[in-house]
Amino acid sequence: EAQVTQNPRYLITVTGKKLTVTCSQNMNHEYMSWYRQDPGLGLRQIYYSMNVEVTDKGDVPEGYKVSRKEKRNFPLILESPSPNQTSLYFCASSLSRAFSYNEQFFGPGTRLTVL
Amino acid sequence: DQQVKQNSPSLSVQEGRISILNCDYTNSMFDYFLWYKKYPAEGPTFLISISSIKDKNEDGRFTVFLNKSAKHLSLHIVPSQPGDSAVYFCAASEGNQFYFGTGTSLTVIP
Repeated sequence: EAQVTQNPRYLITVTGKKLTVTCSQNMNHEYMSWYRQDPGLGLRQIYYSMNVEVTDKGDVPEGYKVSRKEKRNFPLILESPSPNQTSLYFCASSLSRAFSYNEQFFGPGTRLTVL
Repeated sequence: DQQVKQNSPSLSVQEGRISILNCDYTNSMFDYFLWYKKYPAEGPTFLISISSIKDKNEDGRFTVFLNKSAKHLSLHIVPSQPGDSAVYFCAASEGNQFYFGTGTSLTVIP
């Protein structure tokens, strides 16, 4: 089954404790992206990756890191989480930006709470 | 600053009638516009898209209209069905970046 998986689905942590949220897709997609969803703000793009070893900042990259060492994986790293990073996070992937329809497939989301 | 805006947080429609969801944007450089549908506890799913060089795109019960001069996008669902009840996000892309609206919660009343 074609899908985007994220782990963990729920995480409660404390300020300053480094964490990684994993994202994996099995569709051989080139483009991958991370979003956060907050009430009244919709989804905001954090980082995206055009392909292996190619990443770039989205609208709200501060406090986050990403890496793309393999095509299928795109982990989101919070080196020193703070309470304002409490949010619902979504990973997404799409075949390529070269295709006109630009459909992104989203993972189920990770609910992160930073105390 | 929100570049894509959905000013109606919610909308209720009777089953069988038309649902019209609206979206406004500020950036004239957006090249594609998309609509996503989201159910609770799930990720958004793609619904329909339109290129900035077109003014209409249809897919079954779903039609998206683009008015570039007004920087306005709308999604029409005809006829509306109870299964359409969800949050709908409007999105726009500029190059490799995507911008989403805040969503409109649609309730279709049987």
